[in-house]
Amino acid sequence: ILNVEQSPQSLHVQEGDSTNFTCSFPSSNFYALHWYRWETAKSPEALFVMTLNGDEKKKGRISATLNTKEGYSYLYIKGSQPEDSATYLCASPFRAAGNKLTFGGGTRVLVKP
Amino acid sequence: GAVVSQHPSWVICKSGTSVKIECRSLDFQATTMFWYRQFPKQSLMLMATSNEGSKATYEQGVEKDKFLINHASLTLSTLTVTSAHPEDSSFYICSVTSLASVRNEQFFGPGTRLTVL
Repeated sequence: ILNVEQSPQSLHVQEGDSTNFTCSFPSSNFYALHWYRWETAKSPEALFVMTLNGDEKKKGRISATLNTKEGYSYLYIKGSQPEDSATYLCASPFRAAGNKLTFGGGTRVLVKP
Repeated sequence: GAVVSQHPSWVICKSGTSVKIECRSLDFQATTMFWYRQFPKQSLMLMATSNEGSKATYEQGVEKDKFLINHASLTLSTLTVTSAHPEDSSFYICSVTSLASVRNEQFFGPGTRLTVL
């Protein structure tokens, strides 16, 4: 079973505060880890594609780290703003599954003004 | 990334009717398209993978005669929910990728909300 899990399921953050949440995945046969941001009524938007252990990627106030040996990735939001409110999905294209992505359940972030 | 559209964005139909959902890749040659379904408070569940010009490959538990997929060109795939029933009410979303995509990166449409009465 190829499991990708995210925690927490939901998060309430005060505007201006920083936050982070986790994606865990099987560490064996790792290929890549994708992060998406999904705002209500919009298409999921690709944030990062991560491949190397220790990798850190940044896009504006959002950054992500990757630990392939222990099978987790953190996504950080610095100085959260209301427009950061969205569901953040991680997904992994396991080699055994060909080019398919296995998604985590998502972390729903609500930033309160 | 690719721009992907879906039509309709929402649809309400009577039980027993068939509903067709279109997924269009507007600026991207999508050699592969995926169809997902999302139940409330659950993750995206892959229904099927379709390669242009080939028959779709369905995931375990997905009825191929119920969910007909056609991927006739590099820019269009359709999902037809045949003889829809209330349990088919869900959010359906497509994505596209190609051999040139980075590590199987997919680009998503905005989804279609289907409600079967």
